[in-house]
Amino acid sequence: AQSVTQPDIHITVSEGASLELRCNYSYGATPYLFWYVQSPGQGLQLLLKYFSGDTLVQGIKGFEAEFKRSQSSFNLRKPSVHWSDAAEYFCAVVNTNAGKSTFGDGTTLTVKP
Amino acid sequence: NAGVTQTPKFQVLKTGQSMTLQCAQDMNHEYMSWYRQDPGMGLRLIHYSVGAGITDQGEVPNGYNVSRSTTEDFPLRLLSAAPSQTSVYFCASSYSDNSYEQYFGPGTRLTVT
Repeated sequence: AQSVTQPDIHITVSEGASLELRCNYSYGATPYLFWYVQSPGQGLQLLLKYFSGDTLVQGIKGFEAEFKRSQSSFNLRKPSVHWSDAAEYFCAVVNTNAGKSTFGDGTTLTVKP
Repeated sequence: NAGVTQTPKFQVLKTGQSMTLQCAQDMNHEYMSWYRQDPGMGLRLIHYSVGAGITDQGEVPNGYNVSRSTTEDFPLRLLSAAPSQTSVYFCASSYSDNSYEQYFGPGTRLTVT
């Protein structure tokens, strides 16, 4: 069965600092991987996705993620965090046979002024 | 396009009451899903559908029913509400074009007393 682990429940960074959110997955085949962001009181919005090809993918709002098959990881990065990036971030893997997604438990990002 | 809409936004039920959470999308997506979000537990799949007339169970289906009579609508029924069903419920939809990107509704916050 597929699974996603986000080891960090809560991360605090200063505005302007760099950010890395960790995601490890378990899936038997080539994974379809996603990062979503959830602002308070809102639904989830897609940040970026990886299916195949270049292992470094670019997303919206200046985010990027790198797929590392050897480490079963898909970490999210941003070089300089803005106060508006404070939100909850979810990593997800899709079972392409059934079209079902499995989400990690999420990482809450707090941005200090 | 309105995207994915959910009603109501908030609901309080007494134990044993039944209700239906509504979900509709106007993007002609084949796939639709219901998730519940509880603190520290990410999103857990309740039920999903790959097309009109086809539904299947997710990770936590007990106490919930779904049907999909049209492409647009995917209502979630709570048969006899329990306090354990207090949660935020999200509906999501996606194309069946192997992109698997999900579009989420704004959520319904349900409290069962």
